[in-house]
Amino acid sequence: AQSVTQLGSHVSVSEGALVLLRCNYSSSVPPYLFWYVQYPNQGLQLLLKYTTGATLVKGINGFEAEFKKSETSFHLTKPSAHMSDAAEYFCAVSTLDTGRRALTFGSGTRLQVQP
Amino acid sequence: GAVVSQHPSWVICKSGTSVKIECRSLDFQATTMFWYRQFPKQSLMLMATSNEGSKATYEQGVEKDKFLINHASLTLSTLTVTSAHPEDSSFYICSAAGTAYEQYFGPGTRLTVT
Repeated sequence: AQSVTQLGSHVSVSEGALVLLRCNYSSSVPPYLFWYVQYPNQGLQLLLKYTTGATLVKGINGFEAEFKKSETSFHLTKPSAHMSDAAEYFCAVSTLDTGRRALTFGSGTRLQVQP
Repeated sequence: GAVVSQHPSWVICKSGTSVKIECRSLDFQATTMFWYRQFPKQSLMLMATSNEGSKATYEQGVEKDKFLINHASLTLSTLTVTSAHPEDSSFYICSAAGTAYEQYFGPGTRLTVT
């Protein structure tokens, strides 16, 4: 079985400040990890993903995440927050464990950006 | 990237009626689609996995007779909420499986049952 824990349901930062959204996963097999962003009343947009290879993954809108196997973490960062980054962010994991390719989502983190 | 559409984006229905939600992959063929449910300010919960040409696989606790899923073609999956009740009001999101275990999500359908 796999699971995802997102620490902090709400994160507030000032515009221009560093954004750090935390994600830890649990998986008995090598995971595929994803970060999605959701704006109000919309579906999910993929920010970035880790499958294999380089552990530092760069995504859209200046976001990046680093896969740390020893810490079972996949934290999302952005050096400088923009007002348009305010949204809900979901970390998700998928494995070959069941072969179903289903995603297991974390509970989400709402990012607020203060002017 | 791949585009997935959902129709309708918003629907209100009376209790006891049925509602059909369509999910289409517009520019690629999806042998597998997923249906999720999201309550306000909560995460997405997988309801079922829809495979083209075969019966859907439902998650534990999801009533298959209430949430009918049909995946008749490689670009279309439908979710029908039968005999809807107010507790079925939710945001329903579909996704289509791409490569590398990536999923492309539709914009969601907000269902309100009065």
